[in-house]
Amino acid sequence: GEKVEQHESTLSVREGDSAVINCTYTDTASSYFPWYKQEAGKSLHFVIDIRSNVDRKQSQRLTVLLDKKAKRFSLHITATQPEDSAIYFCAASRNSNNRIFFGDGTQLVVKP
Amino acid sequence: GGIITQTPKFLIGQEGQKLTLKCQQNFNHDTMYWYRQDSGKGLRLIYYSITENDLQKGDLSEGYDASREKKSSFSLTVTSAQKNEMAVFLCASSIRGHAEQFFGPGTRLTVL
Repeated sequence: GEKVEQHESTLSVREGDSAVINCTYTDTASSYFPWYKQEAGKSLHFVIDIRSNVDRKQSQRLTVLLDKKAKRFSLHITATQPEDSAIYFCAASRNSNNRIFFGDGTQLVVKP
Repeated sequence: GGIITQTPKFLIGQEGQKLTLKCQQNFNHDTMYWYRQDSGKGLRLIYYSITENDLQKGDLSEGYDASREKKSSFSLTVTSAQKNEMAVFLCASSIRGHAEQFFGPGTRLTVL
């Protein structure tokens, strides 16, 4: 089955700087890539996704890039704020109807 | 909006005991999921149910049973609790054919 890897287990940035979280996947048939955020002591919630028909998607301060050839995708957060501090999970799926496979998460710490 | 509730919030059992975790959602979502989140790890799918009378095994179904009693509820049973399965169990739901999953607050399992 699909295996999703997140390369950074922790990432520390200064408030106002950008943060980039990188993920790779193994299944060439994967075509849907969501990102979830888990704040301390809370459950996960969806933040942004990208489908394989595009290579870039932006929503406010979040941008997701997809490189299908390299089987790599990334989450870019600009102008980071303390409330961005959380664990971010990337995931992959063959399509939005199917089960999704999660990475192990990246702990983002935004320092004042 | 809707909400997913999980009961109990904390579950303590003895090794070998049969334990049941419950999940309710009022989104009117078709699909429901059970995940296990080990400390510092991503989510692993235990069982999911696409619609009311459906049950699908995930990657970690051995040692667990699930039951979709009605559209709004999905239960997970640990058939014989083991110390190495102490984790947080997360329930989620989504509209069938739609990708975004909504997560409950979790049940933390401790096995003595």
